[in-house]
Amino acid sequence: QSELTQPPSVSGAPGQRVTISCTGSSSNIGAGYDVHWYQQLPGTAPKLLIYRNSNRPSGVPDRFSGSKSGTSASLAITGLQAEDEADYYCQSYDSGLSASVFGGGTKLTVL
Amino acid sequence: QLQLQESGPGLVKPSETLSLTCTVSGGSISSSSYYWGWIRQPPGKGLEWIGSIYYSGNTNDNPPLKSRVTMSVDTSKNQVYLKLSSVTAADTAVYYCARHEGRRALVRGFDPWGQGTLVTVSS
Repeated sequence: QSELTQPPSVSGAPGQRVTISCTGSSSNIGAGYDVHWYQQLPGTAPKLLIYRNSNRPSGVPDRFSGSKSGTSASLAITGLQAEDEADYYCQSYDSGLSASVFGGGTKLTVL
Repeated sequence: QLQLQESGPGLVKPSETLSLTCTVSGGSISSSSYYWGWIRQPPGKGLEWIGSIYYSGNTNDNPPLKSRVTMSVDTSKNQVYLKLSSVTAADTAVYYCARHEGRRALVRGFDPWGQGTLVTVSS
């Protein structure tokens, strides 16, 4: 059971927009801790996609965007492409656990 | 360009100790502000933070694993080490090392990551 809850799966057709939610609590996201997002392509290591809620590392397309509000955060992907098919994870810090925590992951399928 | 590479035995017997090395190239593990974390991923499952270490030797551990985890560094070799004792089948996972800035990995998250190494616990 992850401290950050993500939907197990989402899907969309090429060109569409999808969003992935990451729901936390008052001890993590709601406490003001920032959220990062990672993309894990099949058979590879996770890669940082969004840091501190809404910032993109260099090289990440602007089709990817993030936001945070209250006890939740969201990752949005516009202009969906086949290469976006991957697992996506959110990550933050939990003061109750004194630990970095990850969401359970969301598998994105491009139809 | 900073690169991380995990290495170690791919098979460990139950009740024994898992030992892994993370070799860092393209940068120094003694850089201030940076911590070196270990994260694992059981087959088909999600990510779990194991713990992190600063080049001075200060560590942060995930409480559920704390009693079994030992981390260390060798700045002369630019390497970080993980030991996990009394392993069971539940410890079977791909183990990653990754860099993060700040003690709580809140500045820029974990970046970059090593390619990971699969450790199977089985007799």
